[in-house]
Amino acid sequence: DQQVKQNSPSLSVQEGRISILNCDYTNSMFDYFLWYKKYPAEGPTFLISISSIKDKNEDGRFTVFLNKSAKHLSLHIVPSQPGDSAVYFCAASYGNAGNMLTFGGGTRLMVKP
Amino acid sequence: EAGVVQSPRYKIIEKKQPVAFWCNPISGHNTLYWYLQNLGQGPELLIRYENEEAVDDSQLPKDRFSAERLKGVDSTLKIQPAELGDSAVYLCASQGQHTGELFFGEGSRLTVL
Repeated sequence: DQQVKQNSPSLSVQEGRISILNCDYTNSMFDYFLWYKKYPAEGPTFLISISSIKDKNEDGRFTVFLNKSAKHLSLHIVPSQPGDSAVYFCAASYGNAGNMLTFGGGTRLMVKP
Repeated sequence: EAGVVQSPRYKIIEKKQPVAFWCNPISGHNTLYWYLQNLGQGPELLIRYENEEAVDDSQLPKDRFSAERLKGVDSTLKIQPAELGDSAVYLCASQGQHTGELFFGEGSRLTVL
């Protein structure tokens, strides 16, 4: 039973345009969500997070939106840059910080120059 | 500040051989995780430590996998004997007390022939 799903295995976007990566979850107990970015041959690195008490969190070019009623979150990257090309994982946990994360399967983003 | 350090980065062994992976977490991080990542999938939790105590090892295949975190700092993950299906990247991550963010190492890529 996959509790966190990323239904798009890949996404291709032109440089300068918006990238939108989507994530759905099934466990209504999740209250903390994170996005990780992974380059080849490296471990995932933290990108941005959002608590369930918010519906939006912004950090520079990256914005995460949370729709609790739909159990859906998305990551927007504006403008997209070639260096953003990587695999993006969404992750979720419950019970506040300090609890284990459940990861989605990842979406490979390719930003074309 | 040094990140999470894992070794070896790459390991190629024949099936039925033993293998061990080592992880040194970020200094002061009490929580340590071992994740398994298969190609094209997200990380899946194997075991979680709070200091030296394994608090969640329900996903660890205990017939062939073992882990330890003596003294609550470094950790080792062992597979004996390895099977073809164990070929994957083994990720170690550590987590501070007041943050939900996990910091990952670069991973240990295992190939079982």
